[in-house]
Amino acid sequence: GAVVSQHPSRVICKSGTSVKIECRSLDFQATTMFWYRQFPKQSLMLMATSNEGSKATYEQGVEKDKFLINHASLTLSTLTVTSAHPEDSSFYICSAAGGEQETQYFGPGTRLLVL
Amino acid sequence: GNSVTQMEGPVTLSEEAFLTINCTYTATGYPSLFWYVQYPGEGLQLLLKATKADDKGSNKGFEATYRKETTSFHLEKGSVQVSDSAVYFCALRKDSGNTPLVFGKGTRLSVIA
Repeated sequence: GAVVSQHPSRVICKSGTSVKIECRSLDFQATTMFWYRQFPKQSLMLMATSNEGSKATYEQGVEKDKFLINHASLTLSTLTVTSAHPEDSSFYICSAAGGEQETQYFGPGTRLLVL
Repeated sequence: GNSVTQMEGPVTLSEEAFLTINCTYTATGYPSLFWYVQYPGEGLQLLLKATKADDKGSNKGFEATYRKETTSFHLEKGSVQVSDSAVYFCALRKDSGNTPLVFGKGTRLSVIA
């Protein structure tokens, strides 16, 4: 199947700093990418949907100024957590659609720890 | 709104035991249904899917049948292996591939030798 990568896989940062997470589709063009957040022992919660070349659509309750999403090309989307706080610590997962029809492919996730 | 409910874990089974993980959904219309698996330290992988009523998805010995009358998509495997230990997520999608998935909470399966 198609491959989606995320970088970094794990990051620790200080409170107040910003962290950028990259999501890349390695062997297909992703017209749409999704960003999810997963809390321990809980399900994936959709944060936002991004289409290449347009602004992301955020889910209710997700602060767009805090979680900046850029989808500048068909193979790359980035999520920047601005002014991170300990409550932002979580597992962030992206998925990409646009390869095989009807299938979304998931990245391996990025574990963020804010101290 | 759309939602997915799956059985709480963790589930612990002995090798070669029969596995069932229940999943029911709430949605208008005819969603596509999926099972994803997350092995330790890895991302989610599509295990199987079904796109219309009475379809059966199957892969790696796992099966699930789309039952519209009971709004269910239970995952089954006749004989589990230690390598099946993972977290299993049931999910639905209302429209095309470019719409987001709605996930259940996940069920952790541990298979012991």
